[in-house]
Amino acid sequence: GEDVEQSLFLSVREGDSSVINCTYTDSSSTYLYWYKQEPGAGLQLLTYIFSNMDMKQDQRLTVLLNKKDKHLSLRIADTQTGDSAIYFCAESLYNNNDMRFGAGTRLTVKP
Amino acid sequence: EPEVTQTPSHQVTQMGQEVILRCVPISNHLYFYWYRQILGQKVEFLVSFYNNEISEKSEIFDDQFSVERPDGSNFTLKIRSTKLEDSAMYFCASSAGRHSYEQYFGPGTRLTVT
Repeated sequence: GEDVEQSLFLSVREGDSSVINCTYTDSSSTYLYWYKQEPGAGLQLLTYIFSNMDMKQDQRLTVLLNKKDKHLSLRIADTQTGDSAIYFCAESLYNNNDMRFGAGTRLTVKP
Repeated sequence: EPEVTQTPSHQVTQMGQEVILRCVPISNHLYFYWYRQILGQKVEFLVSFYNNEISEKSEIFDDQFSVERPDGSNFTLKIRSTKLEDSAMYFCASSAGRHSYEQYFGPGTRLTVT
């Protein structure tokens, strides 16, 4: 069945770039998302990309989509300690309400 | 900034008991959702709700589950007879429109079934 996969952990030093990767299997996916979850908080939508795009940039965040390889990445430039959180990749189809999430990547930023 | 709220933050219940998880969506939103995340596993879609009826549900959302919008502000998830495997974090979300990218999530209710 359809699945979304992410590596579980990533550790970087403050000021470095972080790259969080995600793969998905459903070629019908229309929307792809990155959510951030801080301790005790809900899922915060960081950014999303439509499947007809291959890149989207929003301040320190850059999303790259390789639709052929079904690979999505989130790059955080100049990573700060406040970026430490769990990052979820998710995808959905145009006509569905539901989203399919990855297991989340725990990003740890060391000073 | 408007936000989705959920109560309680943590609920402990005994197996077989009924629980009701409460959510207050963002006030002008029309679509409401429940997701759950079993510890260490993925966030899973349970159900979406629009115009006072379920619009989609997953295989997880069986007859033990029900949702309701009892008044103009609350959106509830009821589990009739809880099982140990219902222990999870339950997230409520809401959106103004139909498309998923507009969904705003609450902080979650951690349900522990003993």
